This record gives sequence, structure tokens and C-alpha cells, in this order.
Amino acid sequence: AQSVAQPEDQVNVAEGNPLTVKCTYSVSGNPYLFWYVQYPNRGLQFLLKYITGDNLVKGSYGFEAEFNKSQTSFHLKKPSALVSDSALYFCAVRPQAGGYQKVTFGTGTKLQVIP
Amino acid sequence: DGGITQSPKYLFRKEGQNVTLSCEQNLNHDAMYWYRQDPGQGLRLIYYSQIVNDFQKGDIAEGYSVSREKKESFPLTVTSAQKNPTAFYLCASTATGANYGYTFGSGTRLTVV
Repeated sequence: AQSVAQPEDQVNVAEGNPLTVKCTYSVSGNPYLFWYVQYPNRGLQFLLKYITGDNLVKGSYGFEAEFNKSQTSFHLKKPSALVSDSALYFCAVRPQAGGYQKVTFGTGTKLQVIP
Repeated sequence: DGGITQSPKYLFRKEGQNVTLSCEQNLNHDAMYWYRQDPGQGLRLIYYSQIVNDFQKGDIAEGYSVSREKKESFPLTVTSAQKNPTAFYLCASTATGANYGYTFGSGTRLTVV
């Protein structure tokens, strides 16, 4: 069965410092990987995805993520955190196999950027 | 602008009542999904539909029902059989193709009173 682990319930970082939100996954075959962000009482917004090719994926709002196949990880990063980045972040995975494939979400990591 | 509209934003249900959550999209997406979000548990799939007039159970379908009579609409009914319905409900859609991300609605918060 596929799974996603976000080992940190909360990450605190000072404004202007680099941030990392961790994600590891387990899936049969090659993965499609996604990051979403959720602000309070709102739906999830798509940030970025890994499909194939370059292991460093760039997304919205200056975020990027690095796919590491050997470590089965897809950590979300940003060089300089903003207070407005404070939100709940979800990692998601699905297999690349054809047909309908279930998307599995992690439990989320709350990012708190401290002014 | 294209997107997904969920209504109402807040909903209160009395014990024993059925309630229906609306989800409408104008993105021309084939597939639609309903998720339930509880604190610390991430998103759990309730039902999904890949095509009109067809839908499948997700991981936690008991106590819920759906219909897909139109491509644009995928309403969710929370029945009285759902013993713990208080949660945040999210509707999502995606275009056909394995590598598309989901577009989510803004959610409905259901509370049992």
C-alpha cells in the first residue's frame, strides 16, 4: 500500500531564513509527487509537482522541491521564508501506472514563520 | 474565472438529519472527488467519480452518498448513518491524465448540533 509521511507536525522558522518541510513516500513503481498549501478554513492550493526529469522542481510563490529517488523523499524548500508562508502544507503521491490510481495525502505540516 | 464552488461554507446538522453539500465546477474536468479533513489525519477519500453517472467508494464511504448526473456537479449527502460527521469537507476535481494536480474547492465545515 502506498503511503506518505510528513514527520514533523509543525516547523518553526524565522522570517528570512531558509525553510524545509519534509516528505517521504512509499509507492509501487515510479511516483507522481505533489505539494499543496492550505490556509485556514480554505481548500488546498496546488504548489508544485514532480512528474519526471529534473529532480529539482520549481513551483509557485518561490517554493521548490527536490525529488530523491534513493531516499524516497520529496522535501519542500524555500530560500527565504515570509510570514505569509505560514500555513498547512500537504505532500501527496500517486503511482505513474495507467488508469485510475489513488492519490494519498500526508497528514500535513504546519509551517509557522516568526517575524 | 474557472474553479470549484462549494456551498454552503458552514452547515449545521441536527442528530438524525441528512444534509447535502454542493460542489460545482466549471473547469470541464472529468474526475471529481470528495475528501474529509480532520485535525491531524490529513485528507481521507470518501467518494470519487471519473465520469458522469459513475462513481466509486473511497476509503470512508460508510454513511455518505453521492450522485453524478452532470459533469459539473458532484453533491455529497451526509446521512444519519454517519455517526461522526463533524468535519471539514473538501471537493476536488482534475482533468483526465495521470499527472494533473487537483483543484480544490474552499470547503464546507459541517457541525452536528
